[in-house]
Amino acid sequence: GPKVLQIPSHQIIDMGQMVTLNCDPVSNHLYFYWYKQILGQQMEFLVNFYNGKVMEKSKLFKDQFSVERPDGSYFTLKIQPTALEDSAVYFCASSFLGGDTLYFGAGTRLSVL
Amino acid sequence: QQQVRQSPQSLTVWEGETAILNCSYENSAFDYFPWYQQFPGEGPALLIAIRSVSDKKEDGRFTIFFNKREKKLSLHITDSQPGDSATYFCAASAKGGQGGSAKLIFGEGTKLTVSS
Repeated sequence: GPKVLQIPSHQIIDMGQMVTLNCDPVSNHLYFYWYKQILGQQMEFLVNFYNGKVMEKSKLFKDQFSVERPDGSYFTLKIQPTALEDSAVYFCASSFLGGDTLYFGAGTRLSVL
Repeated sequence: QQQVRQSPQSLTVWEGETAILNCSYENSAFDYFPWYQQFPGEGPALLIAIRSVSDKKEDGRFTIFFNKREKKLSLHITDSQPGDSATYFCAASAKGGQGGSAKLIFGEGTKLTVSS
């Protein structure tokens, strides 16, 4: 099936530093999402993105978070500065239509020390 | 506020048995209910989905039963196999989100173990 690629698979970073998580969505998809999953728990919606804009974000999407997809390249999640509670697995997803099936990547495990 | 709830948290069945995973929701606007299967170290993958206009959706060994009045649904896995051992997430979304985007709300998941 369609593949969403996430780079890197694991990122270790010191608290207060900046981190960028990269996502290569399915090529013809138009909607992009980030979810956060703390080990063994549910997936929690962070943000969705369409036509170059954030459409909706949750309370978990703090001011230190930002997303962009410059010129159709990677869809990125930037955290600046990072905090200990940002440690989690971050999943990127994409869909062709807004109410369509979401395809998820394998996740990036972020460890903030 | 937990909008989508799942039970049980974990479930063990023998190979060949039917596993029943339950899900309930609160928001009457939800009209799309996918179930995702997640193996350790991987992202969730769509297994089967149902829209609120239907009360049953079948795909091979996987069947969703949907009760709109009670806001409940269940996933039945017949003839369970060891390869079905995974975490299953029930999710829900409502049409008409911002820009038409679908914000999927996930339940806490049910960890299924199929013993041989």
